[in-house]
Amino acid sequence: AQSVSQHNHHVILSEAASLELGCNYSYGGTVNLFWYVQYPGQHLQLLLKYFSGDPLVKGIKGFEAEFIKSKFSFNLRKPSVQWSDTAEYFCAVPFNTNAGKSTFGDGTTLTVKP
Amino acid sequence: KAGVTQTPRYLIKTRGQQVTLSCSPISGHRSVSWYQQTPGQGLQFLFEYFSETQRNKGNFPGRFSGRQFSNSRSEMNVSTLELGDSALYLCASSPQGNYGYTFGSGTRLTVV
Repeated sequence: AQSVSQHNHHVILSEAASLELGCNYSYGGTVNLFWYVQYPGQHLQLLLKYFSGDPLVKGIKGFEAEFIKSKFSFNLRKPSVQWSDTAEYFCAVPFNTNAGKSTFGDGTTLTVKP
Repeated sequence: KAGVTQTPRYLIKTRGQQVTLSCSPISGHRSVSWYQQTPGQGLQFLFEYFSETQRNKGNFPGRFSGRQFSNSRSEMNVSTLELGDSALYLCASSPQGNYGYTFGSGTRLTVV
């Protein structure tokens, strides 16, 4: 079955630390890949997306993600986190590339200590 | 432009009742997807509508249904509510379904 795994359930970092959140999916076909973020008290927002081309994609607020096809991974990174990055992060994969049905990972809660 | 609007924001219902939730997508977005979010199960896909047709359906019982109108607005209905239906119900719209979602703020349903 198609699945999305986020191995880190809760990450705690100090400001200025580097961040990497893992996301792995199980599917051998062509995929589009997304990261969403949910800040406390706010709705889910699209952080960045990969469709094709350069496997390193950049999103809002200094986030980037790298698609490694051989590892079925799409890890989210940020060189230096801020307190305002405290949020829950979700990786999502629409396995049917033509339709709006995405499988979401369980989410990773990031807490950044000032 | 206006975002995805979900109404109502909060609902409290009694077991056995039915409920209808509404979603107005971003103007021009033809795909509307619904998700159930709970602490234990995360985000679970309910169904997707595109041009008034249900294009995809998740693994939820038949008590969960939906529809989409010609203006792309969508409703979902849950009949014979159970305690386990308590959740945040999220609506997400997209131009074509796979271009990334814009989410609404959700409807928080509590079944007592």
